[in-house]
This record gives sequence, structure tokens and C-alpha cells, in this order.
Amino acid sequence: AQSVAQPEDQVNVAEGNPLTVKCTYSVSGNPYLFWYVQYPNRGLQFLLKYITGDNLVKGSYGFEAEFNKSQTSFHLKKPSALVSDSALYFCAVRRYNTDKLIFGTGTRLQVFP
Amino acid sequence: DTGVSQNPRHKITKRGQNVTFRCDPISEHNRLYWYRQTLGQGPEFLTYFQNEAQLEKSRLLSDRFSAERPKGSFSTLEIQRTEQGDSAMYLCASSTDLESGAGELFFGEGSRLTVL
Repeated sequence: AQSVAQPEDQVNVAEGNPLTVKCTYSVSGNPYLFWYVQYPNRGLQFLLKYITGDNLVKGSYGFEAEFNKSQTSFHLKKPSALVSDSALYFCAVRRYNTDKLIFGTGTRLQVFP
Repeated sequence: DTGVSQNPRHKITKRGQNVTFRCDPISEHNRLYWYRQTLGQGPEFLTYFQNEAQLEKSRLLSDRFSAERPKGSFSTLEIQRTEQGDSAMYLCASSTDLESGAGELFFGEGSRLTVL
């Protein structure tokens, strides 16, 4: 079975400060890991993914994420937060050579001016 | 707009009525997924298609739910005899057939169902 945990319901950060949104996963075999963002009344938008190779992956809007196999984590990061980054963020995992993408419960990011 | 399109965007119905949602995926995508999202939760997998074949169905999907993709293009999700617990956002997504499942999903804006 595969699962994703996002331990923080909400993360608050001041504009201009670095942000981290945490994600840990459980999957047998090699994982494919994804981050999505959801703005109010909008669908989920893909941010970035880890498939293989470099543990640090870069994505849209200046976001990046670091894959850590030993800690089974895939934390989302951004060096300098913007108020417009305020949204709901979802981590998701898919086991290698399968099709079902499993999502975490989401973390609400609030960036204050 | 060549993204994933879902209709209707909002549906209010009375308990016991049937509802149907339609999803038009990105044209070159052969995989299509249905998810359900309730307030405060992440998207929950319901079912998915590769072309017209329904390859997996969640155990959470009761026999009141049925999905089709008759020609491998658009898909419909029907809920029969709706219950208040069916109230949720129903999300459709599509993806290309990348080897080993590496492809990301592209989501529509969802169809919100309210059962009174």
C-alpha cells in the first residue's frame, strides 16, 4: 500500500522569508513523488515531480523540493515566499509502474505581508 | 482553452436523484482519472481509464457509482440514488501514457455536487 503524510495542516510565513511544506511517504519500491497547488475554486495545478536522478528538483513559480530516501521525505521549499503563494498544497505519491496517484490531506500555506 | 474541461461546474440535487458529470480530457491524453475531494481532505482516487478500458476502481466506490469512457475520449461519472454523503467536489484528470507511470496528472476545475 502507498500513503502520504502532510503533518502540518497550516504553515504561516512572512513574505520574503523561506518556506517549507513537509511531506513524508510510504510506498514499496521506487516512488514517484509530486507536488500540486490548489487555489480557491480552482483545480489542482502541477508544481513539480521527482522521478529519478538529482534529489533536488525545481518546479514552477520558484518552488523546489528535496527527495530524501532515507527519511522517506519530499519537502517543498521556496527561498522567498510571496503573498500570492498562499494556497493549499498537496503532496502525492505513485509507486513505480503503477497508475494510481495517492494524495496527502494537504497543507494550507498562508503568507503574510 | 485546451485543458481538462468538466461539466457542470455546480450541481444541486435532492437526495435520491441521479446525477451525471462529464469530463473532456486534453485531446492527446489517453489516461483519464476521477477523484473525489471533500472539505479539508486531499483528492481521493475513484477510478481510471486507459483509452476506453476502465482499469481500476476504488473499493470506496459503491455500486451507485458508474463511470464510462465509451470512445476513449470524454468520460461520464454517474451517481444513482444520491445521498447526502455524496456531496463533494468531483475532479477529473488526464495524463499521457508515460512509461512506468512517471507522467503528471492535469486536473480540471471540478464539478461540485451538493445533495440536499
